[in-house]
Amino acid sequence: QVQLQESGPGLVKPSETLSLTCTVSGGSISSYYWSWIRQPPGKGLEWIGYIYYSGSTNYNPSLKSRVTISVDTSKNQFSLKLSSVTAADTAVYYCARDARLEAAGTKHNWFDPWGQGTLVTVSS
Amino acid sequence: QSVLTQPPSASGTPGQRVTISCSGSSSNIGSNTVNWYQQLPGTAPKLLIYSNNQRPSGVPDRFSGSKSGTSASLAISGLQSEDEADYYCAAWDDSLNGQGVFGGGTKLTVL
Repeated sequence: QVQLQESGPGLVKPSETLSLTCTVSGGSISSYYWSWIRQPPGKGLEWIGYIYYSGSTNYNPSLKSRVTISVDTSKNQFSLKLSSVTAADTAVYYCARDARLEAAGTKHNWFDPWGQGTLVTVSS
Repeated sequence: QSVLTQPPSASGTPGQRVTISCSGSSSNIGSNTVNWYQQLPGTAPKLLIYSNNQRPSGVPDRFSGSKSGTSASLAISGLQSEDEADYYCAAWDDSLNGQGVFGGGTKLTVL
């Protein structure tokens, strides 16, 4: 079955850019949407954004000015860049397949499966 | 401040039935479907319920979901100790350009 694995630096300095990659195995990245979600220590989940395999994206309005999500179908990977990070960006970052469809004007979307998550700490 | 509102905690004894509520608005739960995720300590969230009331393969039928208007509920019957976890509701919100939104999470304790 499809498995996802996040990778990237675990420590990023304030004002720098956080960069993570999610590698999809056991299936093709094509024909699906893919999302990034984060969870600050001891807090709840926050959706960051999604990318379709074709490259179209949608971002959380609160992060939109700092986020870029890209896809590399040849490597079955998609990536996250978050610029100008502060301590508030310290979190476990998850990647997930984003299943979505629309029926009779109602949007269905769910995240499954998820990667195991990677902790990124913003500190000098 | 989460867009969807959940109680921070819930509890029950083994064998009991517990419910967790999730309240939203017309732009999210009122317009789109609700999903529920279970997060066991130290692990990634796992899909528990999708499209309001559908269970993925492998999820016991002790877990059920429902939606009415701008609110949704997760019910767990025959509570077991391994159900102790954080539970999150989620939906798509049509405001602005559309975004995924979560509840703040409910910590379920099995007494």
